[in-house]
Amino acid sequence: QVQLQESGPGLVKPSETLSLTCAVSGDSISRYYWSWIRQPAGKGLEWIGRIYTNGNTIYNPSLKSRVTISVDTSRNQFSLNLSSVTAADTAVYYCATEGGNYFDPWGQGTLVIVSS
Amino acid sequence: DIQMTQSPSSLAASVGDRVTITCRASQTISNYLNWYQQKPGKAPKLLIYAASSLQSGVPSRFSGSGSGTDFTLTISSLQPEDFATYYCQQSYSTLWTFGQGTKVEIK
Repeated sequence: QVQLQESGPGLVKPSETLSLTCAVSGDSISRYYWSWIRQPAGKGLEWIGRIYTNGNTIYNPSLKSRVTISVDTSRNQFSLNLSSVTAADTAVYYCATEGGNYFDPWGQGTLVIVSS
Repeated sequence: DIQMTQSPSSLAASVGDRVTITCRASQTISNYLNWYQQKPGKAPKLLIYAASSLQSGVPSRFSGSGSGTDFTLTISSLQPEDFATYYCQQSYSTLWTFGQGTKVEIK
């Protein structure tokens, strides 16, 4: 059974780059598609982007200019970089598996606060 | 982008009540519609996929229906552990989108 675990700094300064990693266990990362999703406190879910098994990516148009998702197959993990962050990027960030046409399972989430 | 609109945004119900949440897509999405349950401080949990298929391990009091643009999540008899926020999500387009959520509270 696939399990996901997000990691990365919990505090990022404005204008800097937010970098998170999602470690995948229980299966090969090469078998599925992978997404990042975020949720500001008290608000709804926003899909950030996806990386396919061939390494291609697709991003939410609202974030596209600032987002990069990459995969490291040797470490069975994938990563999120979000550049030029502002307070509006403060959120819980989740990684998730796309085993079918849905998100399942999800990581537990990691809170990232953007503040000086 | 396909916009997903849930209603109501919140509701108050009692244990044992039948609860219905609706989700409308801004264009047809066939049956590419999923439902998630989220409890405070936890990641969302998949309940229903492909509009009406129950995810393994999810109680049978949860059911989903609909196709095209209009969908429904029904909880046949609300249990204490069902008080949570529910989200619909479309996977028809390449860019997946969520509804804004429906919070189910205790009356």
